[in-house]
Amino acid sequence: EVQLVESGGGLVKPGGSLRLSCAASGFAFSSHYMNWVRQAPGKGLEWVSSISSSSTYIFYADSVKGRFTISRDNAKNSLYLQMNSLRAEDTAVYYCVRDPRLDNWGQGTLVTVSS
Amino acid sequence: EIVLTQSPATLSLSPGERATLSCRASQNISYYLNWHQQKLGQAPRLLIYDASNRATGIPARFSGSGSGTDFTLTISSLEPEDFAVYYCQQRNSWPLTFGGGTKVEIK
Repeated sequence: EVQLVESGGGLVKPGGSLRLSCAASGFAFSSHYMNWVRQAPGKGLEWVSSISSSSTYIFYADSVKGRFTISRDNAKNSLYLQMNSLRAEDTAVYYCVRDPRLDNWGQGTLVTVSS
Repeated sequence: EIVLTQSPATLSLSPGERATLSCRASQNISYYLNWHQQKLGQAPRLLIYDASNRATGIPARFSGSGSGTDFTLTISSLEPEDFAVYYCQQRNSWPLTFGGGTKVEIK
């Protein structure tokens, strides 16, 4: 069974940093693109970033480019999102999602940016 | 960036009725269109991938159709657990984008 478990969310002040992690199991992690998708409270889904299986290709939404960094460690079956210079509008539940089809979602971790 | 427009924003129906949801892309995305369902307080889950293929474990009452710029998700007979928000999503090109969602509510 595919499992994606996010961690690392919490309350952070504007301008602060946070690192999200996603532990993957139940599939060949090193063979799949991985993604971060977020959802602000009461809003729709917004794609944040994607990384190819060997980290060769990386994509970011314009809204986070230059502030967020996606990475992965295939030996640890883990995906990461380093978030710097956080803003109030980054407040959201962040989901770790497999594949460009977005075929398996984690339960999400809440990031709140507030003073 | 490919913009996806979903309609209607809200669909009010009774259990047993047929639901038809629409998603229109701003440019040709071939068949690279997925549908996701999100229930209140839960993570989304994939229903349909590549326009017409049901994901693992998805009941046969859910079906998808379309190609190019116009796509449809049909729920043949609504069950109580189907009342939720539905999002279309394209994977034809980055950035991946989502439609604004259609809420299917109980009439």
